[in-house]
Amino acid sequence: GAGVSQSPSNKVTEKGKDVELRCDPISGHTALYWYRQSLGQGLEFLIYFQGNSAPDKSGLPSDRFSAERTGGSVSTLTIQRTQQEDSAVYLCASSLAGQGVTEQFFGPGTRLTVL
Amino acid sequence: GENVEQHPSTLSVQEGDSAVIKCTYSDSASNYFPWYKQELGKRPQLIIDIRSNVGEKKDQRIAVTLNKTAKHFSLHITETQPEDSAVYFCAASRTGNQFYFGTGTSLTVIP
Repeated sequence: GAGVSQSPSNKVTEKGKDVELRCDPISGHTALYWYRQSLGQGLEFLIYFQGNSAPDKSGLPSDRFSAERTGGSVSTLTIQRTQQEDSAVYLCASSLAGQGVTEQFFGPGTRLTVL
Repeated sequence: GENVEQHPSTLSVQEGDSAVIKCTYSDSASNYFPWYKQELGKRPQLIIDIRSNVGEKKDQRIAVTLNKTAKHFSLHITETQPEDSAVYFCAASRTGNQFYFGTGTSLTVIP
């Protein structure tokens, strides 16, 4: 079946603008994660959705960042009033969480450039 | 929360030699430890994982060992090849919780 998809693949925006990044997880995967990866850096956790539970937002760097997951499937990460330091690749991942932890599958990422 | 440390940050080996990457974790409740390979410009992909009820797992040239008492786990790549060159990430997780990633190891295999 199809893997995790993300759109857009690239986004260039001007400082101060809002952006929305989309993630389509693998069908049936109840867990969805957002990460940020700056150039040459590791994976910075942003937010985690698990089924109908309240999301774990502990990784969001500021109140300019928010995320939603509608209908337990598609997720949107919104960055308001973008800053140059927001420039990074934003990765989404999903997993089939049931009785235990299972493998995460990553999407191709969205490369965000804030001018 | 969990804290995962990964060493070394960079590693260069001659083709055919072995490479070892080590990670430590802090949360004794973590029970799942995956390793991801990320080639330049591509998404991370799982290469091997181990659960806390197992001490070692092997898949062809790669193996992972886990020491629960010491809270560390390692990735071993034998007979390295140029295509093994990539960034490798370790991670730790437990049921119902997020994944915590190490900072990555950039492996270069010199032909």
